[in-house]
Amino acid sequence: AQSVSQHNHHVILSEAASLELGCNYSYGGTVNLFWYVQYPGQHLQLLLKYFSGDPLVKGIKGFEAEFIKSKFSFNLRKPSVQWSDTAEYFCAVIDLYSSASKIIFGSGTRLSIRP
Amino acid sequence: NAGVTQTPKFQVLKTGQSMTLQCAQDMNHEYMSWYRQDPGMGLRLIHYSVGAGITDQGEVPNGYNVSRSTTEDFPLRLLSAAPSQTSVYFCASSLMRGETQYFGPGTRLLVL
Repeated sequence: AQSVSQHNHHVILSEAASLELGCNYSYGGTVNLFWYVQYPGQHLQLLLKYFSGDPLVKGIKGFEAEFIKSKFSFNLRKPSVQWSDTAEYFCAVIDLYSSASKIIFGSGTRLSIRP
Repeated sequence: NAGVTQTPKFQVLKTGQSMTLQCAQDMNHEYMSWYRQDPGMGLRLIHYSVGAGITDQGEVPNGYNVSRSTTEDFPLRLLSAAPSQTSVYFCASSLMRGETQYFGPGTRLLVL
């Protein structure tokens, strides 16, 4: 069965530390990949996405992610986190070319930033 | 644009009661979906629709019904509420399947 894994359930960092959140998926075909963020008390919103082209994509608030097809990974990175990055982060994947495929979300990573 | 709206924000039900969670979008999006969010489990797809009159099941459809009579509205019906349906429910829409989704503010449901 198709699946998305986020291995880090809760990450605690100090301000200015670098961040990398892992996302791996089990699909074999061509995929669309997303990172969504849910700030405390707010809607989920798009952080960044990859559909095709340059595998290094940049999103809002200084986040970026790299699609590595051979590793089935789409890890999220930020060089220097801020307290305002405290949120829950979700990776999502869909195999667009399979009509039966549905979007699958990972279990989420809660990020806590110490001021 | 209001985006995606959901009502109610919070609801308490007794086991066996039925209710409808409302979702509407004003962006003329074809694709709409319902998720439930539970601690440690991320978002799980309940039902989705690729256009008016077309719906399909997601990962966890049991105990829920949907219909899509218009492009704008996508209500989720709980037929006979169970404590296992205590969760936060999110509605989302996108221009089409596979595109960026826009989420509503969520409905927090407690089933006693």
